[in-house]
Amino acid sequence: DAKTTQPPSMDCAEGRAANLPCNHSTISGNEYVYWYRQIHSQGPQYIIHGLKNNETNEMASLIITEDRKSSTLILPHATLRDTAVYYCIVRAEGTSGTYKYIFGTGTRLKVLA
Amino acid sequence: NAGVTQTPKFRILKIGQSMTLQCTQDMNHNYMYWYRQDPGMGLKLIYYSVGAGITDKGEVPNGYNVSRSTTEDFPLRLELAAPSQTSVYFCASSYAGSYEQYFGPGTRLTVT
Repeated sequence: DAKTTQPPSMDCAEGRAANLPCNHSTISGNEYVYWYRQIHSQGPQYIIHGLKNNETNEMASLIITEDRKSSTLILPHATLRDTAVYYCIVRAEGTSGTYKYIFGTGTRLKVLA
Repeated sequence: NAGVTQTPKFRILKIGQSMTLQCTQDMNHNYMYWYRQDPGMGLKLIYYSVGAGITDKGEVPNGYNVSRSTTEDFPLRLELAAPSQTSVYFCASSYAGSYEQYFGPGTRLTVT
């Protein structure tokens, strides 16, 4: 199963863009990259996912390199409420057509006032 | 929609006791999952289910059992609680295996 590597922590000034990197050099061709975040000790919250094209939604943008070995989650205008642990996850195929998430330890993002 | 609900929120167990963690979703999702999260770590998959009557093991199934008799409910059973099972347990559901997962608020379990 492909594993991900993320920096353990990052700071970002409020109102600035937060760029969170993720390395997934062993990803295979049909494995998606998902991003979730966990605020305090709540359940993780889905942010965005992609296969090889860049993706954008109302929360964030996801930039995936052409070789798919790394990606960056961009929060365009970080607010204090974006302070959380961000998980970059490779969705691996399980048995019988199911999928499983392989969670790493994530990046703890602190947005500073 | 309430989404994914879990009960209880907190529980303290003595070694050797048993308990069931409840999980219910009202989104008519076929897939349901149980994870555990140890302090400072990411989530690890315990068991999952692709529909009523079908369950399978995840990464760390030892010491746990599950059942799925309805689409809505996916209880997790601890038979002989051990200190190593002290953790936060999250239940999640998704429409299908390839769709995003929705997580419940978690159950914080301490075994002493």
